[in-house]
Amino acid sequence: KAGVTQTPRYLIKTRGQQVTLSCSPISGHRSVSWYQQTPGQGLQFLFEYFSETQRNKGNFPGRFSGRQFSNSRSEMNVSTLELGDSALYLCASTQGQGNTIYFGEGSWLTVV
Amino acid sequence: SQKIEQNSEALNIQEGKTATLTCNYTNYSPAYLQWYRQDPGRGPVFLLLIRENEKEKRKERLKVTFDTTLKQSLFHITASQPADSATYLCALEAIKAAGNKLTFGGGTRVLVKP
Repeated sequence: KAGVTQTPRYLIKTRGQQVTLSCSPISGHRSVSWYQQTPGQGLQFLFEYFSETQRNKGNFPGRFSGRQFSNSRSEMNVSTLELGDSALYLCASTQGQGNTIYFGEGSWLTVV
Repeated sequence: SQKIEQNSEALNIQEGKTATLTCNYTNYSPAYLQWYRQDPGRGPVFLLLIRENEKEKRKERLKVTFDTTLKQSLFHITASQPADSATYLCALEAIKAAGNKLTFGGGTRVLVKP
């Protein structure tokens, strides 16, 4: 079956702009999580959505937001981009707690 | 504060030997501990999950131990091969956490030399 699909794979944005990243989970997976990975901070949890509701949230400013659609697809948005937002953004999906979590290949965001 | 620590130094190992990686945590009550492999520029790939009431888990050449008293997990790659070269991440999921929220260690890079 198809894995977790993230688009776009690479993008470059300018400071102050906003960006929307998309994630299609594995079919049947209702939980979608987002993570940010940087060389300095490693992999950090952003938020998790389940059945269109945010169920968990990490310690990121309000500029980072997300949503989930009825078909479990998810988007995350970062507004007023800062240079420090340059990172690999990873989406992960799972059937439930204690089950295997599958990651997508990520979206590489560069803010200039 | 909660901490998950992995050896940040790269582990260089000869092909055929056993690589042992350590994951230590503090101020945390994990329900599950997971190990992932990550290749450069790629997303993490799930390897093994071990629950708080399990001591050891095996999968092919991989073995994970979980000691909740020592607050430590060990990850072993036996008969290592150059293809095992990657960064290995441990991640914890808290007890009684609603939903899925993994906290990751910083990862340990493994380089297996032929």
